[in-house]
Amino acid sequence: GDSVTQMEGPVTLSEEAFLTINCTYTATGYPSLFWYVQYPGEGLQLLLKATKADDKGSNKGFEATYRKETTSFHLEKGSVQVSDSAVYFCALSAGGSEKLVFGKGTKLTVNP
Amino acid sequence: GAVVSQHPSRVICKSGTSVKIECRSLDFQATTMFWYRQFPKQSLMLMATSNEGSKATYEQGVEKDKFLINHASLTLSTLTVTSAHPEDSSFYICSARGAGGETYEQYFGPGTRLTVT
Repeated sequence: GDSVTQMEGPVTLSEEAFLTINCTYTATGYPSLFWYVQYPGEGLQLLLKATKADDKGSNKGFEATYRKETTSFHLEKGSVQVSDSAVYFCALSAGGSEKLVFGKGTKLTVNP
Repeated sequence: GAVVSQHPSRVICKSGTSVKIECRSLDFQATTMFWYRQFPKQSLMLMATSNEGSKATYEQGVEKDKFLINHASLTLSTLTVTSAHPEDSSFYICSARGAGGETYEQYFGPGTRLTVT
């Protein structure tokens, strides 16, 4: 079945460091790919998405490129801030389905 | 933006009792609502999908008689955990989706922590 694998956390960085959170997927067909962020005490929020190969999703300085050849959708940010501390979830929806399949989440802590 | 609330945020109940969790879309009409369960350090697992006015569609392995879902209006869905047991303790998250436009994506509630003693 469809699945998402993302790097184990937690990840701890200093402010202004470069961030990469790896995400790979297994799916039938051509899925849409998403990154969600969950700040403490809040619900998941859509951070960015890409719906076809080579698309790049971007938002708030975060980027992720849909790589069909490596079935990956890695999240990157060039310079993290303390306010980026949160749990990040990679997800997919495949085959035109409305259902989302999530990875386990990666907790990011950014220290000043 | 679209806001989804859940109530209560946390609940403790005794084994054998039932507990109801509410999910509300505050500023849009949610034609579809989703209920997820999240175990510690695990991903969100979809339990069921409900469309307003019709019966919920449950994922494989989810007991429909134990997890009762009602989506009676375009702004409210409820999840009732019946005859709860300690193994039902978990974090339950709902999401809501509108009919189209920018509300077509899923908007998530903050979750409800259920502890069954």
